[in-house]
Amino acid sequence: EDQVTQSPEALRLQEGESSSLNCSYTVSGLRGLFWYRQDPGKGPEFLFTLYSAGEEKEKERLKATLTKKESFLHITAPKPEDSATYLCAVQALIQGGSEKLVFGKGTKLTVNP
Amino acid sequence: DVKVTQSSRYLVKRTGEKVFLECVQDMDHENMFWYRQDPGLGLRLIYFSYDVKMKEKGDIPEGYSVSREKKERFSLILESASTNQTSMYLCASSFSAQVSSPLHFGNGTRLTVT
Repeated sequence: EDQVTQSPEALRLQEGESSSLNCSYTVSGLRGLFWYRQDPGKGPEFLFTLYSAGEEKEKERLKATLTKKESFLHITAPKPEDSATYLCAVQALIQGGSEKLVFGKGTKLTVNP
Repeated sequence: DVKVTQSSRYLVKRTGEKVFLECVQDMDHENMFWYRQDPGLGLRLIYFSYDVKMKEKGDIPEGYSVSREKKERFSLILESASTNQTSMYLCASSFSAQVSSPLHFGNGTRLTVT
């Protein structure tokens, strides 16, 4: 069964304290891995797509990387406004040639001033 | 920027009522999706559509139906609302089913069934 596991479930950082969120996956036929940010009471907001191992994407204080089994979302010198839940989703090729998107349950990040 | 608009942010309905959740996207996207999001369960796919008048069941379609009469509009229908359908409902759209394109979400409808 295709699975996406995010860790930790929750993370508290001090402002400026860099860290990483993990998304590990067991799928066959990876078609793409997506990172989203979700603020309380809002829908997820798209951040990055990664397609192949070794690929990296950056946006402000965020950098996403991908290996064959996991992805990391690195947060450098975070600010309180980076507080949110970060979701990972994997697009996998399934039987019959169709695709399925599997979401992780998210990591809730809190950055204290 | 893609805009996905859900007609209501909050809804309170009674058990047994028929409930319509409306979603409109403005970027001519082919694909549209309905998810529900619950604490500890994450995002679960209810129904999706790759084209007008087409619909496909997701992982949890029981108790729901959908309608897509126009490309930009995708409606979720709860035929007879029940308390276990209290949840955050999220609509999303994406450009194409042929390549891995990201979902663009609306801001959600928080539905309470009493």
